[in-house]
Amino acid sequence: GESVGLHLPTLSVQEGDNSIINCAYSNSASDYFIWYKQESGKGPQFIIDIRSNMDKRQGQRVTVLLNKTVKHLSLQIAATQPGDSAVYFCAASRLGKSTFGDGTTLTVKP
Amino acid sequence: NAGVMQNPRHLVRRRGQEARLRCSPMKGHSHVYWYRQLPEEGLKFMVYLQKENIIDESGMPKERFSAEFPKEGPSILRIQQVVRGDSAAYFCASSQQGTNEKLFFGSGTQLSVL
Repeated sequence: GESVGLHLPTLSVQEGDNSIINCAYSNSASDYFIWYKQESGKGPQFIIDIRSNMDKRQGQRVTVLLNKTVKHLSLQIAATQPGDSAVYFCAASRLGKSTFGDGTTLTVKP
Repeated sequence: NAGVMQNPRHLVRRRGQEARLRCSPMKGHSHVYWYRQLPEEGLKFMVYLQKENIIDESGMPKERFSAEFPKEGPSILRIQQVVRGDSAAYFCASSQQGTNEKLFFGSGTQLSVL
């Protein structure tokens, strides 16, 4: 099966700084990876995804990096804002089933 | 286009009662997933269904839990004879194609067992 783990359960950054959240997965057969953001009392919300045939993908203020050699995934948030404060989950997917890590709580200090 | 709808938002049950959680996927989505989340933890996969079929139920407890996604109507997660350990947030998600696709999540049902 798949297991997904995050390197840090919490991360605190200053407003305007860049944030990096890291994630490791175990199953080299996983072929699709997603980052979700979860605010208190809400369901997870899609941020960005990447397929296994890519190593980098950029969105608006967010970048996902995939290193298949070491089975590592990271989410970079540029110019972090107070509205980015939330729990961030990475998920590794194969055959429709997504396995989630335990989440990193990002706190943005004004 | 309404998102994934879950109800009830909060559900309180006494030990031994049954809990029924409902999920209506996004319009046009035929793949439904149920996840369970304990406080301060990630989402644990329970079951993946397509219309009238269970595709993967490897995360479902063998007893007391069942799920269905009928041809008409919402997907139902049913927990019989609830125990305190069933208290958690249960999230439903849907997707259009089922493979290598982002999931759209509902707001969850918070189940509290007294």
